[in-house]
Amino acid sequence: QSALTQPASVSGSPGQSITISCTGTSSDVGAYNYVSWYQQHPGKAPKLMIYDVSNRPSGVSNRFSGSKSGNTASLTISGLQAEDEADYYCTSYTSSSPPVVFGGGTKLTVL
Amino acid sequence: QMQVVESGGGLVKPGGSLRLSCAASGFTFSDYYMTWIRQAPGKGLEWVSYISSSSSHTNYADSVKGRFTISRDNAKNSVSLQMNSLRADDTAVYYCARTSAVAATRWFDPWGQGTLVTVSS
Repeated sequence: QSALTQPASVSGSPGQSITISCTGTSSDVGAYNYVSWYQQHPGKAPKLMIYDVSNRPSGVSNRFSGSKSGNTASLTISGLQAEDEADYYCTSYTSSSPPVVFGGGTKLTVL
Repeated sequence: QMQVVESGGGLVKPGGSLRLSCAASGFTFSDYYMTWIRQAPGKGLEWVSYISSSSSHTNYADSVKGRFTISRDNAKNSVSLQMNSLRADDTAVYYCARTSAVAATRWFDPWGQGTLVTVSS
C-alpha cells in the first residue's frame, strides 16, 4: 500500500482537461510545499513534470499545472493530447523515514 | 543537456552482490545530492537511497539498510550503489537521479534510463 493515494486510472478525450489527485497526510503533503509529479511512458524513465507543488521545469508544457489544498495535491492536464497517455506518480518530501513518499501511480488514458 | 546513465545491472543469484554505477553530465555534479530509486516489474516507484553532495550524509530505505551502500566520486561525476545479500524482492529497474541539496527528496531530475537487476536462482 502506497503512502500517498492516487486514483488507479483516469481518462479523457483529446482537448479536454483532467485532474489527478494525490492524498497524503499532515506529515507529508500537508506539511511541506515539496510535492512533485512524474510522467512515465511504458518502458521509459520517469520525467519530472511539476516540482514544489506548482512549478514547471523548463521545457514542460504549460498544459501541465499543479496545486495543493490541505493534504491533497493535484495535477491538472489541460488540452489533452494523445502523447499525454502515460502513468503519473506524485511524491512528497517528509521529515520522517523514509524521507519521501510516493503515490501508487495513475494510468491516464486518452480516449 | 543534463544526463545520467546507469550501468551494472544483470542477473544474480539470491545472496549475491552487484554494483551499479551512474555517470552524470551536463550539470555541476558536486552541487547536488544523488539518489537511487527502483521499480519492481509492473509496480510503482520506491526510493532506495541518497547521498549528499560531499558524501557526508547518506540515507537508506529500511528494506535495503545494512545490505546496500551508496557512494560517489565527485572527480569522476559518478555515483554507485553496492548491493549485497540480494533477495528476490530486490528485482527491479534501478534508476539514478539528481536531487535537490535542499530537502534531499524534494524532486528528482533528470532520471537515467534505468538498469535492470534480476535476483533469481
